[in-house]
Amino acid sequence: GAVVSQHPSWVICKSGTSVKIECRSLDFQATTMFWYRQFPKQSLMLMATSNEGSKATYEQGVEKDKFLINHASLTLSTLTVTSAHPEDSSFYICSAGLAGMGRETQYFGPGTRLLVL
Amino acid sequence: GQNIDQPTEMTATEGAIVQINCTYQTSGFNGLFWYQQHAGEAPTFLSYNVLDGLEEKGRFSSFLSRSKGYSYLLLKELQMKDSASYLCACNQGGKLIFGQGTELSVKP
Repeated sequence: GAVVSQHPSWVICKSGTSVKIECRSLDFQATTMFWYRQFPKQSLMLMATSNEGSKATYEQGVEKDKFLINHASLTLSTLTVTSAHPEDSSFYICSAGLAGMGRETQYFGPGTRLLVL
Repeated sequence: GQNIDQPTEMTATEGAIVQINCTYQTSGFNGLFWYQQHAGEAPTFLSYNVLDGLEEKGRFSSFLSRSKGYSYLLLKELQMKDSASYLCACNQGGKLIFGQGTELSVKP
């Protein structure tokens, strides 16, 4: 149980284009979904917290107009990188929160590797 | 603010025991997670501690001391496949704040 999928797993795009990444919780309904970015040899940095039916909460320094998050249902959240530039090349990972048993655990998707040329 | 510290890298021998430490200073602390991450892959959940003490799960154990802001992950009977990055993360009001990760290399 607690499987999270991401699509696509990798994408190469030209500078200036937009890229959409999907995150799905396959066998549970996620109360909250999170989006992280990880640069090589660095740890995960939280970009935003997404709750179904409400606006995402962005971390300091993350441009909400550049990284659009839509959380249409309890099993799907999307991240759109608008007007991507080479510095946006990174490993984007989503996680879905599962509350219960007195704790909240996050289960991670397999990640999406983005390369902007 | 928050500050989470782990050693950058560690090396250990196959079959041995290794302890990876994590110290933290964070507001609104609500538990500490350990994740394992192999290169190019997403993190996988290892353990969660919210109360002081030791949680044992097979070859892996995790310890927490809230008063000291300290946790460790203990890996026993090391295997080559345990070579990975180990991430300590604090639950801060439902958000996970990650440390830099400890790159563990297991050698024969």
